[in-house]
Amino acid sequence: GAVVSQHPSRVICKSGTSVKIECRSLDFQATTMFWYRQFPKQSLMLMATSNEGSKATYEQGVEKDKFLINHASLTLSTLTVTSAHPEDSSFYICSAEASTDTQYFGPGTRLTVL
Amino acid sequence: DAKTTQPPSMDCAEGRAANLPCNHSTISGNEYVYWYRQIHSQGPQYIIHGLKNNETNEMASLIITEDRKSSTLILPHATLRDTAVYYCIANAGGTSYGKLTFGQGTILTVHP
Repeated sequence: GAVVSQHPSRVICKSGTSVKIECRSLDFQATTMFWYRQFPKQSLMLMATSNEGSKATYEQGVEKDKFLINHASLTLSTLTVTSAHPEDSSFYICSAEASTDTQYFGPGTRLTVL
Repeated sequence: DAKTTQPPSMDCAEGRAANLPCNHSTISGNEYVYWYRQIHSQGPQYIIHGLKNNETNEMASLIITEDRKSSTLILPHATLRDTAVYYCIANAGGTSYGKLTFGQGTILTVHP
């Protein structure tokens, strides 16, 4: 149990385009999901907290207009990177909070912006 | 979250127990100790967590000292697939829950 999926696993896009990443909890419902970013050889950094039916809470320094988060159901949260630039290239990872007070992570999405 | 300190790297022979230490001397009474690991280019995998008592599951054992200032994650019979970065995180419930603060972790390398 406690499986979280992400789609796509890899995406390459041109500078200036938008990219949507989906995060799904497959076998449990998650009121709260989280989005992290990881640059090469660095640790995970929390970007935002996504709550079902309400606005996301962004960490300091994360642009909410650039990283749009939607948590429309108890099993799905989406992250849209708008007007992507090469510096947005990174490994994006979501997690979902299960009822056991534990976060389970997705496999990650590798974004490359050309 | 309380700050945690882990050695940057450790080695272990395949089949032997891997004991990964973590210091969390400023941990609060309501903060749990969580362990995750991340294999290269994958999302972190939950291993185990505990508050005061020692915990064991199918993956590992967690030993927390009586004063809760440190803990040890034990992989009883390490395999090559256990090579990963291991993160020890102190986190409380309530409004602060979920903001997991990942440090640099311990790179565990299991050798044949």
